[in-house]
Amino acid sequence: GAVVSQHPSRVICKSGTSVKIECRSLDFQATTMFWYRQFPKQSLMLMATSNEGSKATYEQGVEKDKFLINHASLTLSTLTVTSAHPEDSSFYICSARAGGHNEQFFGPGTRLTVL
Amino acid sequence: GNSVTQMEGPVTLSEEAFLTINCTYTATGYPSLFWYVQYPGEGLQLLLKATKADDKGSNKGFEATYRKETTSFHLEKGSVQVSDSAVYFCALSTGRRALTFGSGTRLQVQP
Repeated sequence: GAVVSQHPSRVICKSGTSVKIECRSLDFQATTMFWYRQFPKQSLMLMATSNEGSKATYEQGVEKDKFLINHASLTLSTLTVTSAHPEDSSFYICSARAGGHNEQFFGPGTRLTVL
Repeated sequence: GNSVTQMEGPVTLSEEAFLTINCTYTATGYPSLFWYVQYPGEGLQLLLKATKADDKGSNKGFEATYRKETTSFHLEKGSVQVSDSAVYFCALSTGRRALTFGSGTRLQVQP
């Protein structure tokens, strides 16, 4: 089956620093990638949709200048949390979808802790 | 807009008990319906899916039937195991949009 990886799996950073999370599709070309955020014991909330080679589409209430998304290739999307604060601490999950297909494949998630 | 409502947890069962987790939805158009499972510390895994009315998705002993008349997609398993303890998410998608998730239901199976 299709495999999506995320790196790092866990990251702890100081308040004010920036953190980059990578999402890779390992065995297929992902024309679309989605970034979700999950708070403890809550559901996944879509943050943004990223299509290869174009700007990401952000959901209402998500700050595009704070959560920078780049989808420069068909196998890699990155989410950069800029000037992170403790309230940004969360579990960030990406998913990827191949062109012409509806099914999304999820990465294992990245747990971000901002001190 | 699209939305998914699933029963609140946690659901605590003894091993070999029957499981039902209710899920209802509202959607524009004709959605595809999914159940995902999240084991502790891990990402989401697709458990089963159904793409049209009356379809039954099944996997690992779990089943769910796409009921258009009741807009439901309830998850069932005849005999749960301790290893089934996880959080279960009902979700839908319409067209090629991102998934809309329910709030998740935590299942705890006791030996």
